[in-house]
Amino acid sequence: GESVGLHLPTLSVQEGDNSIINCAYSNSASDYFIWYKQESGKGPQFIIDIRSNMDKRQGQRVTVLLNKTVKHLSLQIAATQPGDSAVYFCAENISSGTYKYIFGTGTRLKVLA
Amino acid sequence: GAVVSQHPSWVICKSGTSVKIECRSLDFQATTMFWYRQFPKQSLMLMATSNEGSKATYEQGVEKDKFLINHASLTLSTLTVTSAHPEDSSFYICSAKKLNSYEQYFGPGTRLTVT
Repeated sequence: GESVGLHLPTLSVQEGDNSIINCAYSNSASDYFIWYKQESGKGPQFIIDIRSNMDKRQGQRVTVLLNKTVKHLSLQIAATQPGDSAVYFCAENISSGTYKYIFGTGTRLKVLA
Repeated sequence: GAVVSQHPSWVICKSGTSVKIECRSLDFQATTMFWYRQFPKQSLMLMATSNEGSKATYEQGVEKDKFLINHASLTLSTLTVTSAHPEDSSFYICSAKKLNSYEQYFGPGTRLTVT
């Protein structure tokens, strides 16, 4: 089923350290995954995406890892900065053709100065 | 490119009234638009999928007569919350996608408060 959270896990990271945010997705048929950043009172902002035929993709300071065996997705942020403080959501495209996204619970990232 | 706007950004209305929220793709044609709802400290919940020129497809548990969706053009979709009640207070977010593309482009959201 869909992952909908009533609690928002928090990850606190020292400025300059690397952050790793994890996400478990629900549907083994999902073929496209995206990470979004959401600041308070704003819409989601695209960070990086990955298709199911890949297991790793790198962007600027961010890396997404996909483990289809255990249905796990992670977002790594290098040299975390205060501006990275936000809530991070993973989303999965649940099946080909529908283009519908199911969002994960979300993780709040707090960057400590 | 790929900018999506929403209007209004926030609205306060009285219980029993209706509110219309607009979602526009500013620099591309959006064959499909999606409407989400987000409660505080929670995730985005998909409410409905809207295809240009056809009826919206609602997710299970979403009342189609309460949340009216119209997608009359390739750049505009509207969500009307009819007979709003305080429990409808939420953050409503739309997204838009291009034909044959997976990626959704999100709007900035609309904060609805029903008093």
